[in-house]
Amino acid sequence: DVQLVQSGAEVKKPGESLKISCVASGYTFSEYWIAWVRQMPGKGLEWLGSIYPGDSDTRYRPSFRGQVTISVDKSISTAYLQWNSLQASDTAMYYCTRHLTIHMINDAFDFWGQGVVVTVSS
Amino acid sequence: DIVLTQSPVTLSVSPGERATLSCRASQSVNSRLAWYQQKPGQAPRLLIYAASTRATGIPARFGGSGSGTEFTLTISSLQSEDFAVYYCLQYNNWLRTFGQGTRVEIK
Repeated sequence: DVQLVQSGAEVKKPGESLKISCVASGYTFSEYWIAWVRQMPGKGLEWLGSIYPGDSDTRYRPSFRGQVTISVDKSISTAYLQWNSLQASDTAMYYCTRHLTIHMINDAFDFWGQGVVVTVSS
Repeated sequence: DIVLTQSPVTLSVSPGERATLSCRASQSVNSRLAWYQQKPGQAPRLLIYAASTRATGIPARFGGSGSGTEFTLTISSLQSEDFAVYYCLQYNNWLRTFGQGTRVEIK
């Protein structure tokens, strides 16, 4: 069975760095794009970016480029979302999710991780 | 960005009744539209992709239709477990966007 298992909840202070993870299993990790989606408290869903683990080709929503970094470690089937300097406005739930079709970038998302709550507060 | 506008914002429906949710795109997305269900404290669940194809394991009471800029999600006979928030997603280009959601609540 396909599974995406995310790391645990985080509480950070403004200006701190953070890297959250998403471990994939049940399929060939390198062949499907992985996306990150943000959900701010009480709000809707927002796509941050996607990465193709096969060659680390990465696409960012323009408003998030430079604010976060998406990466992968193919050897352990893990995707990451990273911040160098968190802000209070980064407080949200973050989901990793797999693109539906092998190799396809313009695609829906099928399997989702359980989400990571990131709280940034002084 | 392609803007997706969902209507209504909230839909009050009695169990067993039909629910019709709308998603309108600011420009054509062809048939590259998906629908998701999200319950409190849970990740979204894929219901429909390619505008009308049910995802694996999704009951037949969920149906999708439309193309271009107008799309509809129909739940033919609402069950108690269907009360949730529903989002549409366009993936016609790499800069994908979600609608703001429709909350389906018990009438």
